[in-house]
Amino acid sequence: GENVEQHPSTLSVQEGDSAVIKCTYSDSASNYFPWYKQELGKGPQLIIDIRSNVGEKKDQRIAVTLNKTAKHFSLHITETQPEDSAVYFCAALTLDTGRRALTFGSGTRLQVQP
Amino acid sequence: SQTIHQWPATLVQPVGSPLSLECTVEGTSNPNLYWYRQAAGRGLQLLFYSVGIGQISSEVPQNLSASRPQDRQFILSSKKLLLSDSGFYLCAWGDTGNQPQHFGDGTRLSIL
Repeated sequence: GENVEQHPSTLSVQEGDSAVIKCTYSDSASNYFPWYKQELGKGPQLIIDIRSNVGEKKDQRIAVTLNKTAKHFSLHITETQPEDSAVYFCAALTLDTGRRALTFGSGTRLQVQP
Repeated sequence: SQTIHQWPATLVQPVGSPLSLECTVEGTSNPNLYWYRQAAGRGLQLLFYSVGIGQISSEVPQNLSASRPQDRQFILSSKKLLLSDSGFYLCAWGDTGNQPQHFGDGTRLSIL
């Protein structure tokens, strides 16, 4: 089955700096890669996703890049703000197969220092 | 727009007691529904998913069961809770055959 590894487990940056979180996946058939942000006591919220026919996707200060050959994808947050502090999860899935459930990474706790 | 509701938000139960957690989705039809468990400081582990009424797939052997009595209702149950059942339980829904998945705000379950 699919295995997703996520690094780093914790990340501390100064406000205004950039943050990068990286994930690798094992199943070359995976073709959908979402990122979730989880605030304390809340459920994860989707912040951006990318499909394997695209190498990069951007939404304001957030971007995701995908390298299918190397089987890794990354989340980039620019101009970080204190409200970006949360736990971030990557995930992977093979669309259009019988199994419809995401495989998650173990999470990255991002702390943005004001 | 679609919304997902989970309740209760927190629950404290004694060992050996039964459990029923409920999740409902509004604003969509025939969604895929999921139950995840999140241990403290850990990632999300898929417990069950359902692609339709009465159709339940179990990902890991455990003390829990799931049911889908209605199209937009998903229930997580146990007859006798164990200490190891403590955790943060999350329900999610996704469009049939596609993603993304959207999560509820979870139930924090503590077993004493």
